[in-house]
Amino acid sequence: QQPVQSPQAVILREGEDAVINCSSSKALYSVHWYRQKHGEAPVFLMILLKGGEQKGHEKISASFNEKKQQSSLYLTASQLSYSGTYFCGKANNAGNMLTFGGGTRLMVKP
Amino acid sequence: DAGVIQSPRHEVTEMGQEVTLRCKLISGHNSLFWYRQTMMRGLELLIYFNNNVPIDDSGMPEDRFSAKMPNASFSTLKIQPSEPRDSAVYFCASMTGSVGKLFFGSGTQLSVL
Repeated sequence: QQPVQSPQAVILREGEDAVINCSSSKALYSVHWYRQKHGEAPVFLMILLKGGEQKGHEKISASFNEKKQQSSLYLTASQLSYSGTYFCGKANNAGNMLTFGGGTRLMVKP
Repeated sequence: DAGVIQSPRHEVTEMGQEVTLRCKLISGHNSLFWYRQTMMRGLELLIYFNNNVPIDDSGMPEDRFSAKMPNASFSTLKIQPSEPRDSAVYFCASMTGSVGKLFFGSGTQLSVL
């Protein structure tokens, strides 16, 4: 079953912050975040493997609450280059099969 | 490293024709995934191989779709016969080990008229 992402779309001004949420109705063993720019393939951002784990990539960080089966992606002081569609993925319990949420379209304007 | 290589980049065909999409994995990667992306359905997992063996094909929409992995570095996704609703971008991605990161190919934009 696919994870559910919210919001579906976000429009920001450069320098503003955003949060993208990902939740699952079933157990989340790990959470994977990817970004896809228009016309390109998804690109890996980070994996969170343990409950409570937080990771960062540039000014993008994420948290994982295993109990609540949720993850959030935090984009701080957004840049134009952050524009794209962000996907969260959940792995099966073996950790080797990834299904993605519907994506969140992020647009950063000057 | 050349990355995951997909061909063709674009394919336009007529309804009823057979379509074959190709994917070359990154050397040393042992898992291969085929995804389909549309506006309506997002990024759907079609099939997943591990060490050349199909592990889960529950996402394959119909019998018209088939995928093979004849060796450790190459895979094909075939649609026969193709239908207009198959129009989408098809990505393959490879991974090494478990709980790893996926490396996506550039995708094949398929249009079935």
